[in-house]
Amino acid sequence: DTAVSQTPKYLVTQMGNDKSIKCEQNLGHDTMYWYKQDSKKFLKIMFSYNNKELIINETVPNRFSPKSPDKAHLNLHINSLELGDSAVYFCASRPAGSYEQYFGPGTRLTVT
Amino acid sequence: DQQVKQNSPSLSVQEGRISILNCDYTNSMFDYFLWYKKYPAEGPTFLISISSIKDKNEDGRFTVFLNKSAKHLSLHIVPSQPGDSAVYFCAASRGIIQGAQKLVFGQGTRLTINP
Repeated sequence: DTAVSQTPKYLVTQMGNDKSIKCEQNLGHDTMYWYKQDSKKFLKIMFSYNNKELIINETVPNRFSPKSPDKAHLNLHINSLELGDSAVYFCASRPAGSYEQYFGPGTRLTVT
Repeated sequence: DQQVKQNSPSLSVQEGRISILNCDYTNSMFDYFLWYKKYPAEGPTFLISISSIKDKNEDGRFTVFLNKSAKHLSLHIVPSQPGDSAVYFCAASRGIIQGAQKLVFGQGTRLTINP
């Protein structure tokens, strides 16, 4: 299937731990994103990468570190997890020249 | 500062009738607008879009209207079907510079289609 995939789908962890979320797209898109949907259901951009280069960093705490090993993958590593990090994280990709973004199924992170 | 607002958190419509979802924005630099549909436990999926140089775009049962002077857009679904029950997000974008394009989302409207 051609799509944007994320692993894991659910992640429950304790405060202070470090965790990673992986994203892969096989659509051949150059640009990938991480969005966060908080408890109030707002979807807000966190990062954007274009061909493995960081383009957008929306004042996200530096505990969050995205990594793009190649243009098909954009992973999100979170250090020292806090309760407020609990949210659903969505990965997305976009083809060059288009406004439309394609979203993954989301990863629900719960920090206890 | 919420630049894109969907003031109705929920909307209930009878099957077969028209559903109208509204969205307001504040940033006049936005030049492209999109509607996404989201089912529970899934990611948002693209539905329809409109460029700021147009005032209407139609795709089957879905039509988006843009009123630039009022900074307002709406999504019309007619006739509404039970499968349309979902959360609808309005999103706005400004320019496409290499990788720098981002979507600014409203908070969503939950649409329920009643049989």
